[in-house]
Amino acid sequence: GDSVTQMEGPVTLSEEAFLTINCTYTATGYPSLFWYVQYPGEGLQLLLKATKADDKGSNKGFEATYRKETTSFHLEKGSVQVSDSAVYFCALPYSSASKIIFGSGTRLSIRP
Amino acid sequence: DGGITQSPKYLFRKEGQNVTLSCEQNLNHDAMYWYRQDPGQGLRLIYYSQIVNDFQKGDIAEGYSVSREKKESFPLTVTSAQKNPTAFYLCASSTKRDATNTGELFFGEGSRLTVL
Repeated sequence: GDSVTQMEGPVTLSEEAFLTINCTYTATGYPSLFWYVQYPGEGLQLLLKATKADDKGSNKGFEATYRKETTSFHLEKGSVQVSDSAVYFCALPYSSASKIIFGSGTRLSIRP
Repeated sequence: DGGITQSPKYLFRKEGQNVTLSCEQNLNHDAMYWYRQDPGQGLRLIYYSQIVNDFQKGDIAEGYSVSREKKESFPLTVTSAQKNPTAFYLCASSTKRDATNTGELFFGEGSRLTVL
């Protein structure tokens, strides 16, 4: 069935470091792909999305490219800030229902 | 302000008690969802509803019940049959019946349930 696998955390980086959080998926067809972010004490919010292969989603300095060949949607940011500390979730829709599957989440902590 | 309101934010329950978590949205969204979040397991779907008076089980519905009598409200009851109810519960809604088109779910701030 459809599934999402993302790298386990926690990930701890220094401010201004380069960030990559890996996400791979298994799905029927070519679904849209999403990254959500959960800041401490809050619900999730959509960070970025890509609706077809080779699309690049971007927001707040984060980017992710939909790679059909490697079934991946890795999240990247060139220079992280302390305010980026949060939990990041990769997600995709079920192929046959109005539901979204979430990965297990990756906790990111940025040191000043 | 438009959004989703969950209450209570924190809730303590004794074993054997039922408890109801409230979720209200004023976004005029058709679809609403309940997720459970446990450390290291991400979000798991409990129930979802695409229209008033209709709802479907998600992946972990056992021990939970819901109702959808009004478009803006989707309360979740955690029953005594739920074996391990201590968790963070998130309610969400979407603009269309098929949230998969846009992927954009709007989430509340969550309710943390602790069973004593």
